[in-house]
Amino acid sequence: EVQLVQSGAEVKKPGESLKISCKGSGYSFTSYWIGWVRQMPGKGLEWMGIIYPGDSDTRYSPSFQGQVTISADKSISTAYLQWSSLKASDTAMYYCARLTDKYGDFRRGYFDYWGQGTLVTVSS
Amino acid sequence: DIVMTQTPLSLSVTPGQPASISCKSSQSLLHSDGKTYLYWYLQKPGQPPQLLIYEVSNRFSGVPDRFSGSGSGTDFTLKISRVEAEDVGVYYCMQSIQLPPFTFGPGTKVDIK
Repeated sequence: EVQLVQSGAEVKKPGESLKISCKGSGYSFTSYWIGWVRQMPGKGLEWMGIIYPGDSDTRYSPSFQGQVTISADKSISTAYLQWSSLKASDTAMYYCARLTDKYGDFRRGYFDYWGQGTLVTVSS
Repeated sequence: DIVMTQTPLSLSVTPGQPASISCKSSQSLLHSDGKTYLYWYLQKPGQPPQLLIYEVSNRFSGVPDRFSGSGSGTDFTLKISRVEAEDVGVYYCMQSIQLPPFTFGPGTKVDIK
């Protein structure tokens, strides 16, 4: 059974750093891209970026480039999303999701399995 | 970026009745390979999104056959033949023909009358 298990909720102050995680199991972690999706309170879904754990190839949405860092440790089947200096506007639920690219091209892929989400609250 | 729009943004349905959601994209989602990269997700209250339909009309594993997708080019539709109480939530369409980023529609909130 494919599972993505995310780290727990975080409460941080503006300016602090943070790294949240997403551990995959039940499939070959190095053979699928993992993506991150933001959902601000009461809002819709925003695609942030993806990483291929096999070689750490990473692609970002222009809206999130430079704002976050996506990484992965294939030895422990875990992907990460990190901030160096949080802002109040980073308050959101963050989901990781596995991307299936049926045709060997992530540009034609889709998210098929999702983590349970990590709620990040940034407040002074 | 490709802009996705959905109508209606909210829908109240009587159990057992059909429901339909429209999704339109600002550019054609038809790839040169002949496939169309349009997906539908359902986010039930307090849960992560779940994949319902991939490539316009293919139901994902375990998705009931009361859900169906159709459309082409820039116009797509998700239909629920007979709405059940467990179908409440927000439905999103998503495109993946142009990356980055994949873009989602604004969502259609479905509840039960």
